[in-house]
Amino acid sequence: GAVVSQHPSWVICKSGTSVKIECRSLDFQATTMFWYRQFPKQSLMLMATSNEGSKATYEQGVEKDKFLINHASLTLSTLTVTSAHPEDSSFYICSVGPDTQYFGPGTRLTVL
Amino acid sequence: AQRVTQPEKLLSVFKGAPVELKCNYSYSGSPELFWYVQYSRQRLQLLLRHISRESIKGFTADLNKGETSFHLKKPFAQEEDSAMYYCALSGGGADGLTFGKGTHLIIQP
Repeated sequence: GAVVSQHPSWVICKSGTSVKIECRSLDFQATTMFWYRQFPKQSLMLMATSNEGSKATYEQGVEKDKFLINHASLTLSTLTVTSAHPEDSSFYICSVGPDTQYFGPGTRLTVL
Repeated sequence: AQRVTQPEKLLSVFKGAPVELKCNYSYSGSPELFWYVQYSRQRLQLLLRHISRESIKGFTADLNKGETSFHLKKPFAQEEDSAMYYCALSGGGADGLTFGKGTHLIIQP
């Protein structure tokens, strides 16, 4: 399957700042990437679908102005959490697709 | 709305015993069903995809459209099978995945 990396693996930031998370497909040209969120001891929830060269599609209830997604190339998608607050603290995981999805290792965001 | 239900949060069985992790789904149409596994401190890995109908690490899963189920089975559990197992559903193509809440499988020696 595809090899997916994420950077950083862990980030701590102050409330009100913005944080950018990168998702890279290392050996596969990904026309579609997905972003999920996982709260402690809970399952993954799809946030948005990112298509190369076009706007992301967000799931209901996910604020597109808060979670900015850019998929500028076939190997890179970024998620920027703008004006982060403590309730945004979570584990953010990306995957590459379409069809069978291969997952990155995740990024733990802690907002103080 | 599509939904995936994994009724068991935790399942503990002894080594060598059969294992069945339950998964039921709700979807209007023909879904694609998956099982993903997450070993301790590792990323999610694809275990099975229903359309490939293959057996991975001794696990199998059959899609039962009548019962809307996709249970995961293994005849003889091994200690290295201890992990978190997630059942997931997709509408196909570029659809994202809807996950169940997961079942923590513990294989006791």
